[in-house]
Amino acid sequence: QVVLTQSPSASASLGASVNLTCTLNSGHSTYAIAWHQQQPEKGPRYLMKVNSDGSHTKGDGIPDRFSGSSSGAERYLTISSLQSEDEADYYCQTWGTGIRVFGGGTKLTVL
Amino acid sequence: EVQLVESGGGLVQPGGSLRLSCAASGFTFNTYSINWVRQAPGKGLEWVSYISSIGTIYYADSVKGRFTISRDNAKNSLYLQMNSLRAEDTAVYYCARDQYGDYVFDSWGQGTLVTVSS
Repeated sequence: QVVLTQSPSASASLGASVNLTCTLNSGHSTYAIAWHQQQPEKGPRYLMKVNSDGSHTKGDGIPDRFSGSSSGAERYLTISSLQSEDEADYYCQTWGTGIRVFGGGTKLTVL
Repeated sequence: EVQLVESGGGLVQPGGSLRLSCAASGFTFNTYSINWVRQAPGKGLEWVSYISSIGTIYYADSVKGRFTISRDNAKNSLYLQMNSLRAEDTAVYYCARDQYGDYVFDSWGQGTLVTVSS
């Protein structure tokens, strides 16, 4: 069974960059994942898919400030030039046969 | 523009039933797989159920035997029949579209709140 692990919280200053990490459990290091953003009191929004080779495909309208990468079992979401509206919860998501799995989410605070 | 609009949420007593709907527009509904995802108050996202374009269905263990997913392609609509509701089913329920040919959720609705309480 695939499991995704995320740090509960992260913080960075306005205008800076931040890396959020999603870790796949043992035996599932080749899985692709998706990143979703959930701003306060809103529904989630799809950001991008990140493959095991580090390539990523973004959703419609996602700014260039958002990018994805991979290393081993870790999948990253990098946000550069942080803006106040980037303060949100970020979830990674993957899939197996007949199942979809979410990480616990990371709450990003923009200082 | 892709739109998913949920409805049907509300307050229901433990053991009761509720039927959620998700109205889709802006894309060819009958060619996409759709999911239900929920979020309990203050908690993270939890996948609930999936239905493919050809009717393959999956459920999370937490709802298996109590919830039924269905779709009406003629009406561009997705449904979730929820029976034997429990307090722990209290959540905002979202419908989420699978990206065509893939398993990422590329479009989400705004959600509908279900509260199970006496």
